[in-house]
Amino acid sequence: SYVLTQPPSVSVAPGKTARITCGGNNIGSKSVHWYQQKPGQAPVLVISYDSDRPSGIPERFSGSNSGDTATLTISRVEAGDEADYYCQVWDSSSDHYVFGTGTKVTVL
Amino acid sequence: EVQLVESGGGLVKPGGSLRLSCAASGFTFSSYSMNWVRQAPGKGLEWVSSISSSSSYIYYADSVKGRFTISRDNAKNSLYLQMNSLRAEDTAVYYCARVPGRVGQYDYWGQGTLVTVSS
Repeated sequence: SYVLTQPPSVSVAPGKTARITCGGNNIGSKSVHWYQQKPGQAPVLVISYDSDRPSGIPERFSGSNSGDTATLTISRVEAGDEADYYCQVWDSSSDHYVFGTGTKVTVL
Repeated sequence: EVQLVESGGGLVKPGGSLRLSCAASGFTFSSYSMNWVRQAPGKGLEWVSSISSSSSYIYYADSVKGRFTISRDNAKNSLYLQMNSLRAEDTAVYYCARVPGRVGQYDYWGQGTLVTVSS
């Protein structure tokens, strides 16, 4: 089955840039979506189709996808960005959705 | 305003059954694929099942295949998950989520309903 691997945690100072990776075999050939989840809340879509930002999501959030790694980048990090982040793909070979292992972003 | 409201969660004994519902409003329900996603306490997100807009395509995670059944009633704007032969490892918050297409991103999520499987 297809596996997506994320770093368990990323720490970043306010105003700096956080980069969260999502590794998978030839993930560059798939469409990657990213979700933000704050404690006690449902996930929220922050990036779709590798790099599209839904309405209402700040421009500070951006995404890229190539080769075996997709990346969610959060620029000018704010305290409110502290959350868990998950990548997701549709694996057409198994007809399964797959979520990444999740990354906890801590703002120092 | 798009709203997804789950219900039907609760405490059930191992081997028991439960039926979850997701009431949709604020959009044309029959035009969207719908999904169930779960999250065990303190753990990550796990996809459970998907159903296309007309129920033509149905998919299940290996962990629930043969035990869970997804269905929908477009006339009632509702999504369902029938869960049988429940196990302790099925304990989780269950979310319903909308997909604008047969497959793709989850653009709206409900707030979730907690299912606890314990004796």
